[in-house]
Amino acid sequence: GAGVSQSPSNKVTEKGKDVELRCDPISGHTALYWYRQSLGQGLEFLIYFQGNSAPDKSGLPSDRFSAERTGGSVSTLTIQRTQQEDSAVYLCASSHGQGFYEQYFGPGTRLTVT
Amino acid sequence: GQNIDQPTEMTATEGAIVQINCTYQTSGFNGLFWYQQHAGEAPTFLSYNVLDGLEEKGRFSSFLSRSKGYSYLLLKELQMKDSASYLCAVRDTGTGGFKTIFGAGTRLFVKA
Repeated sequence: GAGVSQSPSNKVTEKGKDVELRCDPISGHTALYWYRQSLGQGLEFLIYFQGNSAPDKSGLPSDRFSAERTGGSVSTLTIQRTQQEDSAVYLCASSHGQGFYEQYFGPGTRLTVT
Repeated sequence: GQNIDQPTEMTATEGAIVQINCTYQTSGFNGLFWYQQHAGEAPTFLSYNVLDGLEEKGRFSSFLSRSKGYSYLLLKELQMKDSASYLCAVRDTGTGGFKTIFGAGTRLFVKA
């Protein structure tokens, strides 16, 4: 079946502009995660959605970052007034639920802020 | 606080065995994952441990000691395609949710 998809695959934007990154999780997966990975670094947790529960936003680095998940499926990560330090690969993952289920990752969006 | 430590790089020879260690300190614990990530690709799941002991899956095994905050990933009969980064991750329930914290990863180089 289809895996997690993300769009765009690459995004180059000017400092100060807003960007939207999209994630389509695997159908039926109730949990959705956003991570950020800088070059050569591990994954930095950003936000986690589980069903209709309030999201865990504890990893968002500043109030310029926000995310929503519509209809329990597609999610959008928005970065306002982008800064050069926002340049990274943004990875989305989904899983069956709150259990031990493994996370399935999308291919990521490479964001470059010039 | 939350902290996951693993070696930055390791080198091993094709056909050999390699052990990648991970130590963690989190406010809560609900399982430890190992993921493999090839350069330029997304991570893929390798193993999950929630109870102490060894979980074996083919050439890969993972061990957990909750009392020591320690895990290792054991790769046997190394192949060139095993050259990748290996990420240790812990599900931290300390904030009441199921946030997953990742280590920085161990880059494994397999040489002929």
